[in-house]
Amino acid sequence: SQTIHQWPATLVQPVGSPLSLECTVEGTSNPNLYWYRQAAGRGLQLLFYSVGIGQISSEVPQNLSASRPQDRQFILSSKKLLLSDSGFYLCAWGILGHRANYGYTFGSGTRLTVV
Amino acid sequence: ILNVEQSPQSLHVQEGDSTNFTCSFPSSNFYALHWYRWETAKSPEALFVMTLNGDEKKKGRISATLNTKEGYSYLYIKGSQPEDSATYLCAFRRVEGNEKLTFGTGTRLTIIP
Repeated sequence: SQTIHQWPATLVQPVGSPLSLECTVEGTSNPNLYWYRQAAGRGLQLLFYSVGIGQISSEVPQNLSASRPQDRQFILSSKKLLLSDSGFYLCAWGILGHRANYGYTFGSGTRLTVV
Repeated sequence: ILNVEQSPQSLHVQEGDSTNFTCSFPSSNFYALHWYRWETAKSPEALFVMTLNGDEKKKGRISATLNTKEGYSYLYIKGSQPEDSATYLCAFRRVEGNEKLTFGTGTRLTIIP
């Protein structure tokens, strides 16, 4: 069966510090991978998605970046965090495909507080 | 920018009562509409994926309908139970080949025992 791991669960970082959040998927090959963020009082906003190794699509201009060094690994990074980067970050995988009758599977999330 | 809107934002329902809420989405270039349930301290969980106009899906006491021509979907919960308390998210997918979902802001449902 497929599982998705996301870590860390919580993180408190000072403004200007770097960030690295990691997500790995097991039990599937060539998944689509996604990073979403939920800021306080807002919905899930898509940050990045990847349909293959080294293929990253950015949805929102910001000081974050994403990389997919391996088929089942997706990393969210920042060189210098801003206060506005605080939020709940969710990794997800899915194979939306042609008329696929299932949705995303989400990781457990990372609560990031930038202080 | 795609507008996926959900209403109401929050809802308090007495245990045993039935309830419903709405997801509105663009009616052009429709491909699929997803519903998720997001309980506190857990990950969002997929409920339904709906692709055809007039689709109705059911899972236990929860059901959903879809109208792609006018761009809305309803989620119904019959005989609400405390475990139904969660945020319900809908997500819209545009035409085939677009491998991403745009989420609404959610309806936060609280069941009052």
